[in-house]
Amino acid sequence: NAGVMQNPRHLVRRRGQEARLRCSPMKGHSHVYWYRQLPEEGLKFMVYLQKENIIDESGMPKERFSAEFPKEGPSILRIQQVVRGDSAAYFCASSPQGHWDQPQHFGDGTRLSIL
Amino acid sequence: DAKTTQPTSMDCAEGRAANLPCNHSTISGNEYVYWYRQIHSQGPQYIIHGLKNNETNEMASLIITEDRKSSTLILPHATLRDTAVYYCIVRQQGAQKLVFGQGTRLTINP
Repeated sequence: NAGVMQNPRHLVRRRGQEARLRCSPMKGHSHVYWYRQLPEEGLKFMVYLQKENIIDESGMPKERFSAEFPKEGPSILRIQQVVRGDSAAYFCASSPQGHWDQPQHFGDGTRLSIL
Repeated sequence: DAKTTQPTSMDCAEGRAANLPCNHSTISGNEYVYWYRQIHSQGPQYIIHGLKNNETNEMASLIITEDRKSSTLILPHATLRDTAVYYCIVRQQGAQKLVFGQGTRLTINP
């Protein structure tokens, strides 16, 4: 059973470029969550998506960040015009449904470095 | 979601049981207690969760007090690979996101 797959594992961008982070959920999971972990800080929720729908984006920065989970293919977290403060580890998690009695299973993250 | 309180750090000898406490005195009846851990450079790993009853799986046991105001995660025979930050999370019914605190940094010593 493949777990949550994230790629790339490491991504380096220069200020002003775009970053695209991909997440393939576990087989049979149709709910995806993105979290961010800034250096020396805890994980913070960003966004929750189902196929083709954004359910909760309360943790997303208001500008430059967007997420999608299309009918086919992985979920994408997109950061436009990256700045140094975007350097962080970005983790994706998935669950079969969005029930609170079901655990979320995490990938190993994408480490984004901004030069 | 109810707030949780965990010790900042703990040490345990290899081969002994590691008991990690968590206080969640404001927990309500429909909130689950979840435990995750994060080994350096990896994503959070789900360990176990429970509502009222004690739970056990291949990784650990979860003991929840009768009043549900605290719980203990037990790793029965700790190994060096159990060195990680352990997070106790209380998750409310209908809540989609997990709220991570600072966790307990557990170090297993040879």
